[in-house]
Amino acid sequence: GAVVSQHPSRVICKSGTSVKIECRSLDFQATTMFWYRQFPKQSLMLMATSNEGSKATYEQGVEKDKFLINHASLTLSTLTVTSAHPEDSSFYICSAGRGHEQFFGPGTRLTVL
Amino acid sequence: KNEVEQSPQNLTAQEGEFITINCSYSVGISALHWLQQHPGGGIVSLFMLSSGKKKHGRLIATINIQEKHSSLHITASHPRDSAVYICAGFGNQFYFGTGTSLTVIP
Repeated sequence: GAVVSQHPSRVICKSGTSVKIECRSLDFQATTMFWYRQFPKQSLMLMATSNEGSKATYEQGVEKDKFLINHASLTLSTLTVTSAHPEDSSFYICSAGRGHEQFFGPGTRLTVL
Repeated sequence: KNEVEQSPQNLTAQEGEFITINCSYSVGISALHWLQQHPGGGIVSLFMLSSGKKKHGRLIATINIQEKHSSLHITASHPRDSAVYICAGFGNQFYFGTGTSLTVIP
């Protein structure tokens, strides 16, 4: 089946630094990728829709200047958490696919000290 | 009210028991996904359903489009089935249920 990878799987950073998370579709092209955030013991929350070659669409309440999304190619979308703070610590997951056939990445656990 | 509701929230079962997790949705969707999330966090897509029923090993998923309801069944449950199971409806975006935490005791 289709595979979506994320890198890194785990990152610990100091408050104020920026962190980049990559989401790659390994064996298919994805014009749209989705980024989610999951707090402990809660379900996934859609943050933004990443569109190849155009600006991402952010969900209400998600700061676009805080969470920068770049979808530079049909196989790669990146999420950059800028000036990270401890409250940004969370599990970040991406999905990619064709229409309603979506495949999830393994997730990236971000811890901001 | 969430667009996708799951029940139960928590479920503990003895090894070998038949398990059912229910999902109801109120939004228009083109497909319904059942996802499995282990404690490490990674998500595995178990099923994608548009209609009817699908079976994979000991797992069975059904959907009733008219009633906007889906169920995930696990036959002969095993401790390695312990995970969080998430129901997600996909229209133009995903609508996630809050998950069902399953613990299967040996």
